[in-house]
Amino acid sequence: SQQGEEDPQALSIQEGENATMNCSYKTSINNLQWYRQNSGRGLVHLILIRSNEREKHSGRLRVTLDTSKKSSSLLITASRAADTASYFCATDTSGTYKYIFGTGTRLKVLA
Amino acid sequence: EPEVTQTPSHQVTQMGQEVILRCVPISNHLYFYWYRQILGQKVEFLVSFYNNEISEKSEIFDDQFSVERPDGSNFTLKIRSTKLEDSAMYFCASSGTVWYHSYGYTFGSGTRLTVV
Repeated sequence: SQQGEEDPQALSIQEGENATMNCSYKTSINNLQWYRQNSGRGLVHLILIRSNEREKHSGRLRVTLDTSKKSSSLLITASRAADTASYFCATDTSGTYKYIFGTGTRLKVLA
Repeated sequence: EPEVTQTPSHQVTQMGQEVILRCVPISNHLYFYWYRQILGQKVEFLVSFYNNEISEKSEIFDDQFSVERPDGSNFTLKIRSTKLEDSAMYFCASSGTVWYHSYGYTFGSGTRLTVV
């Protein structure tokens, strides 16, 4: 598998439910970021979590990081139709100047 | 809120032609990046740029590609002789003063390049 793989690939939920997306990566990282992309649009930065952090919150978003399992999760609570988008994790590795993006989870929130 | 601006939003070009994609990063940012996303696929790293030189580039970024910061505000990506497979959305991004402590990239809204 490649650095930064999200699962599920697609997720469909009802408005008001929680959505959980997972990201796994292969090599040690400095930071992990989550981005949102609405269809055909640009990437919007959501949260950055550092390798020495375990959990971060931002509004309805909660990100966890487990470096021992090389995985992260993004939880969106009380989802809204406007949360419909693709969500990507992106990881950097020590000594590099780039983030590598995962394959993304397509979230659909049904009104 | 500061933005990264990309122009044009959509460019159609003939195969073999040169194209220049333009970006205006956030003014006090020092690190600049180009990524691309072929329709329906993942976002791929092309190149990072700092202190007027390339910091890192991917295998995609071959001799047909070049980047430049010609005037201290614009950051350009040039594709010398476009191929059909260069059709993609190209994203510019910038990040803050100290890379390790950056709070994530700010991405532009992208340029959709269509090679015909």
